[in-house]
Amino acid sequence: DVKVTQSSRYLVKRTGEKVFLECVQDMDHENMFWYRQDPGLGLRLIYFSYDVKMKEKGDIPEGYSVSREKKERFSLILESASTNQTSMYLCASSGPGQPYNEQFFGPGTRLTVL
Amino acid sequence: DQQVKQNSPSLSVQEGRISILNCDYTNSMFDYFLWYKKYPAEGPTFLISISSIKDKNEDGRFTVFLNKSAKHLSLHIVPSQPGDSAVYFCAASHSGYALNFGKGTSLLVTP
Repeated sequence: DVKVTQSSRYLVKRTGEKVFLECVQDMDHENMFWYRQDPGLGLRLIYFSYDVKMKEKGDIPEGYSVSREKKERFSLILESASTNQTSMYLCASSGPGQPYNEQFFGPGTRLTVL
Repeated sequence: DQQVKQNSPSLSVQEGRISILNCDYTNSMFDYFLWYKKYPAEGPTFLISISSIKDKNEDGRFTVFLNKSAKHLSLHIVPSQPGDSAVYFCAASHSGYALNFGKGTSLLVTP
């Protein structure tokens, strides 16, 4: 079974702090994704990566950056957290051998910025 | 601009009846469509998908129908069970990488 894990289920940070959200997948997937989920807005893509050290902006990259130094790990960075970044953050991965475009999601990190 | 739209935020169905969740899209380049199911405090899980070369795909109680001319797809759940109560997201792709998600429909199946 594909497993996608996220470093924290719940996180509380203060405005202006630098925040790291970590995601690890164990299926050797090439593609990894970061989404945020907000009520009434669904899932919105922040960034994705299709290879080590490669990254692409999604629909809402402002205020975020990412890092992919190893194939299994994809980090989301909030350089200076703001209250409007309070959200549920979901990491996903996909790769060959899976149904086309099927993404596997982690359990999510509920981030609160005070 | 929302390219995948789920216009019903919620749906309530009695156990044993059919649940029909609808999804519309605007981008004619989309060639693959997926449905995900999400329980509270969990990540979404893949449910069923359909390629644009098909108009129907069935997996047990779940069937997805695609109407390309109307840019519309629907998910049918028959019979509905209380464990089906969750938020359902429709998603579409044309790039091979990223998925465009709808806002979700919250399904409640009552006993």
